[in-house]
Amino acid sequence: DGGITQSPKYLFRKEGQNVTLSCEQNLNHDAMYWYRQDPGQGLRLIYYSQIVNDFQKGDIAEGYSVSREKKESFPLTVTSAQKNPTAFYLCASTFDRGPGYTFGSGTRLTVV
Amino acid sequence: GQQVMQIPQYQHVQEGEDFTTYCNSSTTLSNIQWYKQRPGGHPVFLIQLVKSGEVKKQKRLTFQFGEAKKNSSLHITATQTTDVGTYFCAGLSSSNTGKLIFGQGTTLQVKP
Repeated sequence: DGGITQSPKYLFRKEGQNVTLSCEQNLNHDAMYWYRQDPGQGLRLIYYSQIVNDFQKGDIAEGYSVSREKKESFPLTVTSAQKNPTAFYLCASTFDRGPGYTFGSGTRLTVV
Repeated sequence: GQQVMQIPQYQHVQEGEDFTTYCNSSTTLSNIQWYKQRPGGHPVFLIQLVKSGEVKKQKRLTFQFGEAKKNSSLHITATQTTDVGTYFCAGLSSSNTGKLIFGQGTTLQVKP
């Protein structure tokens, strides 16, 4: 079955550490996205990529980095520069003409 | 920048009552999408509206897109406990930046 897989489901990070969240899709989707969700809030766009080897900053890109070396993969690194990284991170993908995003099941990141 | 506002933030209803959530954009949209996120889950695409004044139905759910393509609503008739979750609208700007902007969501609680 086609889908989008995020791993790990839960991640604990010590202050000062960089961590990488994985996102893989086998839907042959062109575009991929990373969103951050905080309790009681909507989804805020971190980074997005519409083609391989190209990506753009979203609304809250500071302290994050991404790569898009393969169409199927769009990993997100949360760097030590991100001061408040505890959140639920959602990866999504879609065809260039849509409709609708397919979301992964998310990664809950906690700073300990 | 473009903003999508959604109201109300929370709604508690008795099972069998109707429910409506409203979505307003600061700019004209090329389309609007609706998603449902169950507690502890990830957003799932429900529907996309593209045309001015469009109305679509999915069983007890009715979706509308305003004539000016700046607002939308989701109406649920005779709510059931399975309707519990957070409903998000998301607008794609007509300036074709490729970014979907999410509203803050409306969390629906249904009392049996």
